[in-house]
Amino acid sequence: AQKVTQAQTEISVVEKEDVTLDCVYETRDTTYYLFWYKQPPSGELVFLIRRNSFDEQNEISGRYSWNFQKSTSSFNFTITASQVVDSAVYFCALRPLSGNTPLVFGKGTRLSVIA
Amino acid sequence: DTEVTQTPKHLVMGMTNKKSLKCEQHMGHRAMYWYKQKAKKPPELMFVYSYEKLSINESVPSRFSPECPNSSLLNLHLHALQPEDSALYLCASSQDGRGGNSPLHFGNGTRLTVT
Repeated sequence: AQKVTQAQTEISVVEKEDVTLDCVYETRDTTYYLFWYKQPPSGELVFLIRRNSFDEQNEISGRYSWNFQKSTSSFNFTITASQVVDSAVYFCALRPLSGNTPLVFGKGTRLSVIA
Repeated sequence: DTEVTQTPKHLVMGMTNKKSLKCEQHMGHRAMYWYKQKAKKPPELMFVYSYEKLSINESVPSRFSPECPNSSLLNLHLHALQPEDSALYLCASSQDGRGGNSPLHFGNGTRLTVT
């Protein structure tokens, strides 16, 4: 079975604080891909990052960083020095090679950054 | 700006109306998708087209009818909808279809209200 769990439903932080969004996944596939998407109030799902199951290197892009740990099946996302524009719903997603579903989404974490 | 364009942005329709949602992408992607998203929920897959052929139908009621006239266009024809069908309808495209690793690129969505 494929499953993505985002245990944090809502998070509020004050601007300039760091915040980490958790993502834990389940899959029996040995090859799979993990994604993070951002959904601002406008509705569009914005692709942030893709990581394949063989690449456990952490990645940093500006204020964003991702920590992939296969041993704990986690793919956490950290925003450093958060800004009001970071307020959105963030979805972690799994793309297995087997099965019908192209993307298995977590339930999302709503992040509110307060000025 | 999103590279997947959806029209209209908002649609209000009665239960006896017939309407269509349109989606267009010019990235040369070979797979296109329709998702439905209710408030505070992750997107749910409805249909997948791969190389202009319907490859996945997630048991969607027949009042939703997809159409892929060519590799750049995807339509969703609506007829005799119910109020519970009110939702955000998202179109997406990806370079490859099922089993691939390319990210899905989403449009801004059509916010549909059925009265």
